[in-house]
Order: sequence, then structure tokens, then C-alpha cells
Amino acid sequence: QVQLVQSGAEVKKPGSSIKVSCKTSGGTFNDYAINWVRQAPGQGLEWVGGLIPVFGNANYTQKFQGRIAITADEATNTAYLELNSLRSEDTAVYFCARARESYDFWSAYSKWGQGTLVTVSS
Amino acid sequence: DIQVTQSPFTLSASIGDRVTITCRASQSVNSWLAWYQQKPGKAPKLLIYKTFHLESGVPSRFSGTGSGIEFTLTINSLQPDDFATYYCQQYNTYPWTFGQGTKVEIK
Repeated sequence: QVQLVQSGAEVKKPGSSIKVSCKTSGGTFNDYAINWVRQAPGQGLEWVGGLIPVFGNANYTQKFQGRIAITADEATNTAYLELNSLRSEDTAVYFCARARESYDFWSAYSKWGQGTLVTVSS
Repeated sequence: DIQVTQSPFTLSASIGDRVTITCRASQSVNSWLAWYQQKPGKAPKLLIYKTFHLESGVPSRFSGTGSGIEFTLTINSLQPDDFATYYCQQYNTYPWTFGQGTKVEIK
């Protein structure tokens, strides 16, 4: 059974950086897109970006361009989301989510991590 | 970006009711539309992918229809476990976008 386990909650100062991890177990890692979705308190879902580890190149929402990096470590089956220059508006729960179909960005997300609360506050 | 608008924003219903949620995209997303269910404090759960395909393990009372710009999620005979927030998502054109959510409440 595929499971995605994320790193724990963090509190960060404005202007700092965060790196959230998402470890996959119980299935193939390299072939499935890992996406990141965030949810601000009381708000809806927002796609942040994603990548297929075997291909390497990531896609991001334009609003994060320049301060975001999504990477994957195939040796440890772990994906990472790094967000720089944090602002109060980045306060949210960040979810990783694995695509349903392999080798396919055009896929819904059938497996999700438990979420990581990132709080940005001075 | 493709805007995805869900309606209604909230929906009050009783056990056994049939409920329908609509999702309208600002341009065609072909059939690349999914529906998720989310309960408070939990990750979303995939219900329907590619418009009408039921995810494994999801009860058959959930169904999806539509194409192009208008899609619907129907829950036949609402059960206690179905009270939650539902989101549609288009994954036809980057960036993928979600509807704002529909909260299904107990009447």
C-alpha cells in the first residue's frame, strides 16, 4: 500500500525559507508525478507545482516562480518543496499528492500525504 | 489561468437525498476533471477522475458527468459519511486549478 509521509509542522519568520519533505513508501517512486497543493486556513486548495522524478523537470504555478523549488531524491524516495522569501500569505497546510497514473502529468491525485502546517509569523 | 467555479457554495441536505454539485470552467478542460472529498483536518480524497471514472474503493453512489466546461458530481442517497467539502480540479491546462469548494451540511 502506497503511503506518503510528510515532515512536521514549522513556524518561520517572514523572509526565511522552508523545505518540506514527502517520503513515499510501498510503491514505485520515480515514475509517478508528485504534486504539492496548499490550503490556507479556512480556504480552498491551490496547486503549487509538481514533478515526475524520473524526468526531473518541475512545473510551478507562475505566482511562485523565482522562489520555489520542487526536487526529488530517488535514493530515499523523498520529494521536497522549498519555498523562499516567505510571507504571511504563505501560511498554509502543504500537501504532497501522488498522481494516479505513472509517467503522466495529466493525472488526478490518488494518494496524499497527511499535510504539513507552515506558519509564517514575526 | 483557467477559472473553475463550483456551485453551490454550501448545500444543506438530509440522509437519503440526492445531491448535485456543478463545476464550470472558464474554457474547455476536455475530460480532465477530478472530484475530491475533504473532511476537516484531513487530506483530500479522490472520488472521480477524468470526469466520470470512479476511483477504486469509492462507493457507487458517487458519479460524475460532463465535458468541456460543465461538469457535475452527483451523490445518490446521501450517507452520514458524505457530509464534507467537495472540490473539483481541472488538470487539462497548467496551472492546474481547483474550484472553491462546496460544503455539504446536514439539514
